[in-house]
Amino acid sequence: DVKVTQSSRYLVKRTGEKVFLECVQDMDHENMFWYRQDPGLGLRLIYFSYDVKMKEKGDIPEGYSVSREKKERFSLILESASTNQTSMYLCASSFRTLAAFTGELFFGEGSRLTVL
Amino acid sequence: DQQVKQNSPSLSVQEGRISILNCDYTNSMFDYFLWYKKYPAEGPTFLISISSIKDKNEDGRFTVFLNKSAKHLSLHIVPSQPGDSAVYFCAGGTSGSRLTFGEGTQLTVNP
Repeated sequence: DVKVTQSSRYLVKRTGEKVFLECVQDMDHENMFWYRQDPGLGLRLIYFSYDVKMKEKGDIPEGYSVSREKKERFSLILESASTNQTSMYLCASSFRTLAAFTGELFFGEGSRLTVL
Repeated sequence: DQQVKQNSPSLSVQEGRISILNCDYTNSMFDYFLWYKKYPAEGPTFLISISSIKDKNEDGRFTVFLNKSAKHLSLHIVPSQPGDSAVYFCAGGTSGSRLTFGEGTQLTVNP
């Protein structure tokens, strides 16, 4: 079974703090993604990575950065947390295939971040 | 630009009846679509997918229909069960690229 593990299920941080969200997958997937889920807005892509040390901006990258030093690990960084970054953060991974890309993503359980 | 829209935030059905969840998209380049199910405090899990070359895909109680001319897809669950109560997300994408998700629909199946 594919396992995507997010380091913290619940975090409470103060405005201005630097926040690290860690994600590890154990299936040798090339692709990794960070989404946030907000009521009425669905899942919005923050950043993704197709390979080690490679990153691409998603739809809402402002206020975030990422790091992928190893294939299995993808970190999301909030340089200076703000209250509008209070959200559920979801990490996902998938294989990168050349043909018939099914697009199936495997998600972690999520990290609920509250910024006070 | 919301490329994938789920216009119904919630849906309530009786156990044993059919649940129909709808999704509209605007990007005509999408060539595959997926549905994910999400329980509270868990990550979304893949449910069913359909390629744009098909108009129907069935997996047990779950069937997805695609109407390309209308840029519309729907998920049918028959018969609905209380354990199906969850948030359902539809998503579209182009081969080799990333998925775009809708807002989600909260399905409640009443015993």
